Amino acid sequence: AQTIHQWPVAEIKAVGSPLSLGCTIKGKSSPNLYWYWQATGGTLQQLFYSITVGQVESVVQLNLSASRPKDDQFILSTEKLLLSHSGFYLCAWSSPVGNQAPLFGEGTRLSVL
Amino acid sequence: SQLAEENPWALSVHEGESVTVNCSYKTSITALQWYRQKSGEGPAQLILIRSNEREKRNGRLRATLDTSSQSSSLSITATRCEDTAVYFCATDQDTGYQNFYFGKGTSLTVIP
Repeated sequence: AQTIHQWPVAEIKAVGSPLSLGCTIKGKSSPNLYWYWQATGGTLQQLFYSITVGQVESVVQLNLSASRPKDDQFILSTEKLLLSHSGFYLCAWSSPVGNQAPLFGEGTRLSVL
Repeated sequence: SQLAEENPWALSVHEGESVTVNCSYKTSITALQWYRQKSGEGPAQLILIRSNEREKRNGRLRATLDTSSQSSSLSITATRCEDTAVYFCATDQDTGYQNFYFGKGTSLTVIP
C-alpha cells in the first residue's frame, strides 16, 4: 500500500528565516506530486506539481520554491519567510495514469512570527 | 473567483439524522472528488464521481452529479459524531495538467 509522510509535523519560525519542508511517498512508482497550502479555515490552494524527477511546475507565486530530487521525494522551501507563509502545508500524490484526485499527507503546520 | 463552491457554509445536525452538502462548479469537468477534513488533518478522499456518472455510493455516503446544472451533492445518512468535519468538493479542469480546484468547504457539526 502507498504511504505518504510529511516532515516536520509543525514548525515555528521567525520572519526572514529559511524553511524546508519534506514529503516522501512509498509504494508508488513515478507518482504525480503536489504541494498545497491552506490558510486557517480556508480552502486548499495548489502551489506546485511535479510529474517526474527534476521537473516542477509552479501554479501560484508565493515566494516559495519546490524541488523533486528523487522519484519519491518532494521538497518545499524558501530563503526568507514572510508572515503570510503561515498556514497548513499539504503534500499530495496521485497516480500518473488516469485523472485521479490527489491523496494527501498529514500536513505541516507552519507559524511564522 | 472560486471554480468550485460548497453550500451551505456551515450546518449542524443531530446524530442519526441525514444531511446533504451541495457543490456548484463553473467549468467543464471530467471528475469531481468529495473530501472530508477533520481538524488538524489532511483531507481524506470520500467519493470520486466522473462526468459520465450520475450517482455513486460508499457506505453511508451518496454523491450525485448533474453536469447540465454543474452541481453535485454529497449526502450522509445516519450521521455520527465522527462525521464532524469540513467537507470539500474538488473539480478537475481540462487544462492539460492535473489540478483539482477546491471550494471553501462546508463545516458540518454532528451533535450527540
